[in-house]
Amino acid sequence: IAGITQAPTSQILAAGRRMTLRCTQDMRHNAMYWYRQDLGLGLRLIHYSNTAGTTGKGEVPDGYSVSRANTDDFPLTLASAVPSQTSVYFCASSTGTGGVAGGYTFGSGTRLTVV
Amino acid sequence: AQRVTQPEKLLSVFKGAPVELKCNYSYSGSPELFWYVQYSRQRLQLLLRHISRESIKGFTADLNKGETSFHLKKPFAQEEDSAMYYCALRGWETSGSRLTFGEGTQLTVNP
Repeated sequence: IAGITQAPTSQILAAGRRMTLRCTQDMRHNAMYWYRQDLGLGLRLIHYSNTAGTTGKGEVPDGYSVSRANTDDFPLTLASAVPSQTSVYFCASSTGTGGVAGGYTFGSGTRLTVV
Repeated sequence: AQRVTQPEKLLSVFKGAPVELKCNYSYSGSPELFWYVQYSRQRLQLLLRHISRESIKGFTADLNKGETSFHLKKPFAQEEDSAMYYCALRGWETSGSRLTFGEGTQLTVNP
């Protein structure tokens, strides 16, 4: 593993089903994030975690939950999927601190279609 | 609250022409601004950040605090520049930092 790994790459899901998107990083970054990418809306923050054991709500948290049991993993769960959750989901991480780095490292994304 | 606006959803230029992708922001504190690029079906990559004052792949961006802008410029566009570009602002809250993205601009460079 190098960087951030997301799984699955893509998924077609029946409405009402439960789904967990997986995200694993090997950079020992403190902070992790989940974004959804929708055409014309850009990337919107769903949930974040500044450090293991803590999570917070982003801009569009409804219908999603996260957990951060350890530094490396940050799964995103859709308890009961709806068609409006059809999107591309990106996981990202950062050191969580300031300085010249500042940028985020992104996973390759999960393309989710809810039918 | 922090907000980033990219007024152009689509931008099309010819190879060799100058290109400017606009980005405006609102933030009460001292902003940290970034440009990310996403080539077709690839992950987002950091292109450049204002604090480094760098030029990457011929692109530059200057932070203009008076106009609250961070436009991305390149004097001579190339076909391989065709991609989705996102402007992003990193703001700080008591609970940590947050990266807010604009809506994105799809740049197409025609031969």
